[in-house]
Order: sequence, then structure tokens, then C-alpha cells
Amino acid sequence: NAGVTQTPKFQVLKTGQSMTLQCAQDMNHEYMSWYRQDPGMGLRLIHYSVGAGITDQGEVPNGYNVSRSTTEDFPLRLLSAAPSQTSVYFCASSSSGYNSPLHFGNGTRLTVT
Amino acid sequence: AQRVTQPEKLLSVFKGAPVELKCNYSYSGSPELFWYVQYSRQRLQLLLRHISRESIKGFTADLNKGETSFHLKKPFAQEEDSAMYYCAANSGSARQLTFGSGTQLTVLP
Repeated sequence: NAGVTQTPKFQVLKTGQSMTLQCAQDMNHEYMSWYRQDPGMGLRLIHYSVGAGITDQGEVPNGYNVSRSTTEDFPLRLLSAAPSQTSVYFCASSSSGYNSPLHFGNGTRLTVT
Repeated sequence: AQRVTQPEKLLSVFKGAPVELKCNYSYSGSPELFWYVQYSRQRLQLLLRHISRESIKGFTADLNKGETSFHLKKPFAQEEDSAMYYCAANSGSARQLTFGSGTQLTVLP
């Protein structure tokens, strides 16, 4: 049981490039989400999904796309990277139980130059 | 707007001293409150949640609805408590957590 797995761990992009951050969980969790962590700002929700085929926007969705074709996977796509997207990205999942805790991945540190 | 505020970015205490990490929230309705912790080189993990009324690693947190606070407390801090602590809240039926900006706790020997 690996929990929540994120790849890659580190990535450097040039402005305008696109890429996909991968997130997979093996706990059969319905709920998955993406956060970005910036100094002094805590974690801010980008997108989330309450089940396969269902996604919705969080607090800071601009510049990011998501899809949820399977229960296990929830990739985050950067369409055209900008320096403002330099951040640490965390994927998290939880079960459907009320107040179920979030299980986090190890994070992806992204730098956009 | 939903908001979670942690007024202290950095907090240092000596080993054995009491520690309190402050958290205030601004939410409509009755949110559920959580504390998450991130130790060095580890992933973010749940420390405790209000609904469970639990004490984890000697930490407790009391919800004060009048002051809209959920401060985290420990009577005797240990060096291994050094970590980044995040207070978080959700809006009840939803599972989207709003996090505070975090408090970096350092317990000095």
C-alpha cells in the first residue's frame, strides 16, 4: 500500500511549456485534490474531484486543468507554465467518510524560469 | 469568505516549556477544524481533528466558538515536535479544506 504517489519530485520548466503532474492513490479513495504551497500563504486548493468523471475548481484554478478518468489517478496539467506557478504541489486523497483525513503525497517542486 | 488565520509564522520554545499555536477561523455555519503537521522531509499528515476530541503526541486543541479559535496546545514541548503546523477547516458537508499559512515550530534544547 503506497498511499498517494506523486511524480516527478522535481521539475524545471521554461515559461510557456506545458506539463502534467501525476498523482495516483491505491486506497480506493473517492476524493482527490491538488494544492499548491507557497511561503507565507499555506496550502491553496487548485482543483478537486469527488469521484471518477467529476472535477471542480478550488481557490486558484487558473492555468491548471484536471481530469479524473479513473478512481486511482488525478493528473494536474499546466497548460502554459508561468513563473507565478513556481511552487510545491501536493496531491491529497480521502475516503468518502465525513471528516475523513486527507492523505498527502510527497509533493512536486516545480520551478518555472 | 472562508478564512483560517495563523498569526505566528515562527514560534520557538525551549524543551519542556508549554507551547500554544494559535488558529482563528472565519466561516459561515459550523466548520470542522483540523491540525496537520509536516515534519522535516516527511509528507503532510493529520495530527488531530476537533470532532475526535483526541490527544495525539500530547497535543490537544479546543474549539472556542465564541472566539472562533482552535488553538493547539502541549504542556511540555519536545525537540521532536519541531515541524510546520497547519490549521485547516472545511465547511461541513464539503471536504475542501482551507488551510492557514502555517506556523514553523522550533523546540530548542
